Amino acid sequence: SAVISQKPSRDICQRGTSLTIQCQVDSQVTMMFWYRQQPGQSLTLIATANQGSEATYESGFVIDKFPISRPNLTFSTLTVSNMSPEDSSIYLCSATRQGADYSEQFFGPGTRLTVL
Amino acid sequence: GQSLEQPSEVTAVEGAIVQINCTYQTSGFYGLSWYQQHDGGAPTFLSYNALDGLEETGRFSSFLSRSDSYGYLLLQELQMKDSASYFCAVSFVSGYSTLTFGKGTMLLVSP
Repeated sequence: SAVISQKPSRDICQRGTSLTIQCQVDSQVTMMFWYRQQPGQSLTLIATANQGSEATYESGFVIDKFPISRPNLTFSTLTVSNMSPEDSSIYLCSATRQGADYSEQFFGPGTRLTVL
Repeated sequence: GQSLEQPSEVTAVEGAIVQINCTYQTSGFYGLSWYQQHDGGAPTFLSYNALDGLEETGRFSSFLSRSDSYGYLLLQELQMKDSASYFCAVSFVSGYSTLTFGKGTMLLVSP
């Protein structure tokens, strides 16, 4: 089965700085997504990462704050820009295997971000 | 908008059967999925129902009633390792290929 890796696994950042999170899948996938999850809370979709075009953002999330790239079928990045303590969260990348329904997503281990 | 309701916590003992319910209110409903997440781990896909009825996968089964906007996850022969959070998630008709997750149900299995 396909595996997703994320880098970094965790980071502590200063207010006002930016962090780029990388998501790498070991096989080609169709769709890739970025979520945010507070510990003990639900998953909130940030955006769908589209290959070769701009990401599709959910309500409440904007490209200037969360720029996303997806240069090929197996790799995507999420940048958290101009961070504030409210951005402290776990950021998860997910993907859908080729031939599978988008309802069946597999997730990376997450990036735990703390903003001071 | 969309809303999903599931119990915040369920407790059970090893070997028992537990049912985690999920009710939803959404337009353009397409299907209901279930995910398991252990503390500190990544969510993992368990099951998906697009049609009414029961889907069985080993010890886990999932049920959907579209007319009642209701589904459940049934876990049989509970094991300690089943202690985790369980999320239901709804998907929508083609053209909006995303999932909306419920708040999750924490299942605590005791000896």
